[in-house]
Amino acid sequence: DGGITQSPKYLFRKEGQNVTLSCEQNLNHDAMYWYRQDPGQGLRLIYYSQIVNDFQKGDIAEGYSVSREKKESFPLTVTSAQKNPTAFYLCASGRTSGNTDTQYFGPGTRLTVL
Amino acid sequence: AQKITQTQPGMFVQEKEAVTLDCTYDTSDPSYGLFWYKQPSSGEMIFLIYQGSYDQQNATEGRYSLNFQKARKSANLVISASQLGDSAMYFCAMRSAGGTSYGKLTFGQGTILTVHP
Repeated sequence: DGGITQSPKYLFRKEGQNVTLSCEQNLNHDAMYWYRQDPGQGLRLIYYSQIVNDFQKGDIAEGYSVSREKKESFPLTVTSAQKNPTAFYLCASGRTSGNTDTQYFGPGTRLTVL
Repeated sequence: AQKITQTQPGMFVQEKEAVTLDCTYDTSDPSYGLFWYKQPSSGEMIFLIYQGSYDQQNATEGRYSLNFQKARKSANLVISASQLGDSAMYFCAMRSAGGTSYGKLTFGQGTILTVHP
């Protein structure tokens, strides 16, 4: 089945540690995105990538890093510099980054900092 | 700047009744897309329906329809014949290609819909 997978579903981190969230898609989509969702809130864009080996900062990129070495994969690293990392993280992909193109989301990773 | 406003934090509807979830938007771009997503308690964002700014007709997808009023900048979601499984958070979102947005989705704050039996 085609889709977007994220792992792990739940992640616990100690303060000062870096953690990496996985996002994989087999939809052959060029564009991939990372969003953060805080309780009772909408989603905010962290990073996005329109093509392999290229990515841009979104609205809240500080304390996060990404890579896009393969079309299918767009991992997100939450670094120790991120002051309030506890949140729900959603990865999405789309055929293009055009404004008419639908983004499809993965099941999300819930990160808790202990 | 783009902005999406959902003024209803919570809505209640009786099973089998229709319900309208409100969404207004603000953008200076002539070309944009409007989307509705459903987020059940599991957290996954499920795409429901899309409306393009140049589309002449309102979008429909099964029990979902989008009441698009361009002059008023509103894009309300109508769910007909509500089912218990429709209970979830619903988000309105917009994409435009202008400025530095690069096609990112801008989300509203969401509306929690509860369907009563």
